Amino acid sequence: SQKIEQNSEALNIQEGKTATLTCNYTNYSPAYLQWYRQDPGRGPVFLLLIRENEKEKRKERLKVTFDTTLKQSLFHITASQPADSATYLCALFSSNTGKLIFGQGTTLQVKP
Amino acid sequence: DGGITQSPKYLFRKEGQNVTLSCEQNLNHDAMYWYRQDPGQGLRLIYYSQIVNDFQKGDIAEGYSVSREKKESFPLTVTSAQKNPTAFYLCASSILSLGPGELFFGEGSRLTVL
Repeated sequence: SQKIEQNSEALNIQEGKTATLTCNYTNYSPAYLQWYRQDPGRGPVFLLLIRENEKEKRKERLKVTFDTTLKQSLFHITASQPADSATYLCALFSSNTGKLIFGQGTTLQVKP
Repeated sequence: DGGITQSPKYLFRKEGQNVTLSCEQNLNHDAMYWYRQDPGQGLRLIYYSQIVNDFQKGDIAEGYSVSREKKESFPLTVTSAQKNPTAFYLCASSILSLGPGELFFGEGSRLTVL
């Protein structure tokens, strides 16, 4: 069956460290993958998009990698700050289904 | 400012009642979507529309209905046939003509059935 999975356990890190979040998928042929940030009680906000033929994408302190062999995307926040604390969602656009499928999200807590 | 406006933010409903959630966008986007979010689960697609007067069922359309009479508006009705309607509902839009692109989300509507 098709699955897209993110770590369900919250990630707690110290301010200044690099946070790394994981998004794994099975039985999809992804055309691209997106990452969103969601604050409690708010709608998600788009962060980055990476296509299947791209290995890495950067935006300021954010970096996303996409490994279609491992079927995994990693989302990195360098020099993390307490303001980065939020839930991060990955979303995969499948060529099979023509739909955008969301993971359940991983909550990041950055402690000062 | 351009964006998506959802209302109401919070809504309480008695069992057996239909309720309508409003979604308006002034981004001039072609496509609009309704998602449902439950704790520990990914966003699930209820309905989507790529053009005025046309819409398609998503993965969990049962118990819901929509209309797209204007480009800017895509209201969602949660009917009494929806077995478990308590959830956080998110409306989104995107520019279809630019190919794969980001979704712009509203702030959500939290529905609680009493």
